[in-house]
Amino acid sequence: DIQMTQSPSSLSASVGDRVTITCRASQSVSSYLHWYQQKPGKAPKLLIYTASSLQSGVPSRFSGSGSGTDFTLTISSLQPQDFATYYCQQSYSTPRTFGQGTKVEIK
Amino acid sequence: EVQLVESGGGLVQPGGSLRLSCAASGFTFSSYSMNWVRQAPGKGLEWVSYISSSSSSTYYADSVKGRFTISRDNAENSLYLEMNSLRAEDTAVYYCARAWYQLLNALDVWGQGTTVTVAS
Repeated sequence: DIQMTQSPSSLSASVGDRVTITCRASQSVSSYLHWYQQKPGKAPKLLIYTASSLQSGVPSRFSGSGSGTDFTLTISSLQPQDFATYYCQQSYSTPRTFGQGTKVEIK
Repeated sequence: EVQLVESGGGLVQPGGSLRLSCAASGFTFSSYSMNWVRQAPGKGLEWVSYISSSSSSTYYADSVKGRFTISRDNAENSLYLEMNSLRAEDTAVYYCARAWYQLLNALDVWGQGTTVTVAS
């Protein structure tokens, strides 16, 4: 099974900050890497697919990069509505594993 | 509107069974593979199962293999998860999610979730 490891597990940031979350796969997943945002009590929402493609309707302050085993989600200027938990997920093979999540909190 | 609506959750005793349903609308259900993903209280997301658009392929997480069965009825635009021999650790919110091959199987549409509680 491919293990997905996110860092950090949590972070505190202020509105307007640039935030970077990393995701590392235990073996190459090519570009089969996706990012989701989840707010408390809500279903996850797709933000970025295939490592760097912005899902329709997602603000351009979100971006993704990477390929192979190392990936990054960046929020260029954190907004109040961005405080949430973020997950990476690989769809290269089954089981389609998720990272453990990164909780972005208000500083 | 593209929508997925889960149902069938509830309280069940350990060793019991439950069948979850997911009703799809607003898109051509038969063209998409589907997944179940769960989230235990206070925990992260765990992928549970996958079924291809034609039901020709199914996959399961090791934690549910042999106990859960995924199926679909394309004529009824419905996805199912039959859960047997339930354990306390199966307690979670269960989401159905659409996977789109053009997005390399990213999960682009999610239901609101249905809660399963396994307890005596």
